[in-house]
Amino acid sequence: AQTVTQSQPEMSVQEAETVTLSCTYDTSESDYYLFWYKQPPSRQMILVIRQEAYKQQNATENRFSVNFQKAAKSFSLKISDSQLGDAAMYFCAYRARGSTLGRLYFGRGTQLTVWP
Amino acid sequence: DAGVTQSPTHLIKTRGQQVTLRCSPKSGHDTVSWYQQALGQGPQFIFQYYEEEERQRGNFPDRFSGHQFPNYSSELNVNALLLGDSALYLCASSIPGPMNTGELFFGEGSRLTVL
Repeated sequence: AQTVTQSQPEMSVQEAETVTLSCTYDTSESDYYLFWYKQPPSRQMILVIRQEAYKQQNATENRFSVNFQKAAKSFSLKISDSQLGDAAMYFCAYRARGSTLGRLYFGRGTQLTVWP
Repeated sequence: DAGVTQSPTHLIKTRGQQVTLRCSPKSGHDTVSWYQQALGQGPQFIFQYYEEEERQRGNFPDRFSGHQFPNYSSELNVNALLLGDSALYLCASSIPGPMNTGELFFGEGSRLTVL
């Protein structure tokens, strides 16, 4: 069964600094997607970044980047130049690619606090 | 372009009652999934609807049922409510076929409190 583990329940960072959130996963599939979603107090899940497992290059989206280590089944999120608006719960998620109907498996989340 | 919309946003029920939650997917999306998010937890998959049929189901009892309508909107029904059903219920939709990029688009959720 697929599992996603986030070992950091809480993290904090000073504004303008860099923070890294960790995620590991377990799967027997070879082709899949990995995601980081952000959930602010407004509750809506917002996609931060997406990685396709067959791509060796790490995904980047502006201040957000990932370190994808397929062999180690590790998928960390780096937030550079942190902003107050980055404060939220961050969820790592996995989805098998084989079917467009695949479900998402989520970790338990990491609560990120950004200090001014 | 409206995103995923859910109703109601909040509701309070008592044990044993039944509840219906509603979801309209993002325009152009045909697949709807429902997730339960207990306080302080990650979302857990309940089930997924495509072409008006339940296609996948997570580890939830039969008290949880759903429906998808021809316009792709969906309902989640929970019967015989338990205190443990208190949670945020998230609806998500996705793009069909070869345009699918794996991403799910989420609504803001329905917060259910069972007393």
